[in-house]
Amino acid sequence: ETGVTQTPRHLVMGMTNKKSLKCEQHLGHNAMYWYKQSAKKPLELMFVYSLEERVENNSVPSRFSPECPNSSHLFLHLHTLQPEDSALYLCASSQEGRGATDTQYFGPGTRLTVL
Amino acid sequence: SQKIEQNSEALNIQEGKTATLTCNYTNYSPAYLQWYRQDPGRGPVFLLLIRENEKEKRKERLKVTFDTTLKQSLFHITASQPADSATYLCALGTSYNTDKLIFGTGTRLQVFP
Repeated sequence: ETGVTQTPRHLVMGMTNKKSLKCEQHLGHNAMYWYKQSAKKPLELMFVYSLEERVENNSVPSRFSPECPNSSHLFLHLHTLQPEDSALYLCASSQEGRGATDTQYFGPGTRLTVL
Repeated sequence: SQKIEQNSEALNIQEGKTATLTCNYTNYSPAYLQWYRQDPGRGPVFLLLIRENEKEKRKERLKVTFDTTLKQSLFHITASQPADSATYLCALGTSYNTDKLIFGTGTRLQVFP
């Protein structure tokens, strides 16, 4: 498989559940990103990892917990979410951690619904 | 406050015409500006990057301009086709925080035959 893949594509969870989103990139990139996309709002950067080190945490609530075990995989662990967390969660990767100048390659996203 | 504004209304144009999308920003000094295309249910796809010292960039039927005085970028699609229908996002990057891109809300373009 090529590019950036995300699983699951759709997820429905209750507020007390714990779930994880998975992202995998097959591009040999060194940086990975999590974004949140809500209706009528711009893409919001959540986390940036460069060479498996977190370099950006954009004031994200602690109920979202990222994990980057290696440069090809990125997880977003979810617990005790709120209905307003329902959104499309997008993963992206780039060659280096310079999101401003690097081309970012996005996955298809996970559509999350919190009941 | 810092803001990126794109045409909030959908842009509807006829096939064959040139589509022009606008990205205006306030209280930013971007060194880079990128344009992405997003189709429904898909992640954004990179189209073009333009630097602050470049006035214009072209790629096939696409042209981007960057005017740091007007604080504006224009994105043109010439000879538009129904397949160009999508949402187009502009995103700014600064030289002092190169980790992140800041995205606009996007403009939905509909090209009808």
